Amino acid sequence: DSGVTQTPKHLITATGQRVTLRCSPRSGDLSVYWYQQSLDQGLQFLIQYYNGEERAKGNILERFSAQQFPDLHSELNLSSLELGDSALYFCASSVGQRGYNEQFFGPGTRLTVL
Amino acid sequence: AQKVTQAQTEISVVEKEDVTLDCVYETRDTTYYLFWYKQPPSGELVFLIRRNSFDEQNEISGRYSWNFQKSTSSFNFTITASQVVDSAVYFCALSETLTQGGSEKLVFGKGTKLTVNP
Repeated sequence: DSGVTQTPKHLITATGQRVTLRCSPRSGDLSVYWYQQSLDQGLQFLIQYYNGEERAKGNILERFSAQQFPDLHSELNLSSLELGDSALYFCASSVGQRGYNEQFFGPGTRLTVL
Repeated sequence: AQKVTQAQTEISVVEKEDVTLDCVYETRDTTYYLFWYKQPPSGELVFLIRRNSFDEQNEISGRYSWNFQKSTSSFNFTITASQVVDSAVYFCALSETLTQGGSEKLVFGKGTKLTVNP
């Protein structure tokens, strides 16, 4: 158990809908990262927050947004969902702000868009 | 752009065999970090090792060992005396500098699925 929690574990929704994925980092970690894992794209970095501020941005679509709250938990919002958004979404956390720190991954949220 | 290639898509071995997972990377950064992560069937990614580009010493941790060769841009992972519990997808990753002054992201390879048969 990495200490990173993600909810929900599974999510099934329809095209055009909006969903929110939630992540709680390990105790003491200030950075939260979001990743998308799909069969065709592999594991892709989406975005990083450090202590409430956006720190680094990857291949995140404009339809997607994230934030990190004062208690350090983070939410990833996915809107206008398309079939291609079906994937496993991981959250990871680390102590420091540098992207090369050891990252601890949560169990993931499997999103299915029908 | 940075790139990580794991040419072996799937490997199947019999228990107690040694197995090496290959990782080749491309980077323009002079300082970078390399990683290996394990994704067992349960799905969670588990950190195995991080290596700084200035440290080319090989590392051994129990049955696991890593061979970093800057000259060939490779960071290979060997499991000695494999066990059924080693069955997983293994990812190699490379840090990529995003902006001047320090933000980075991890670039992952496509992964190698290792099956260890009893």
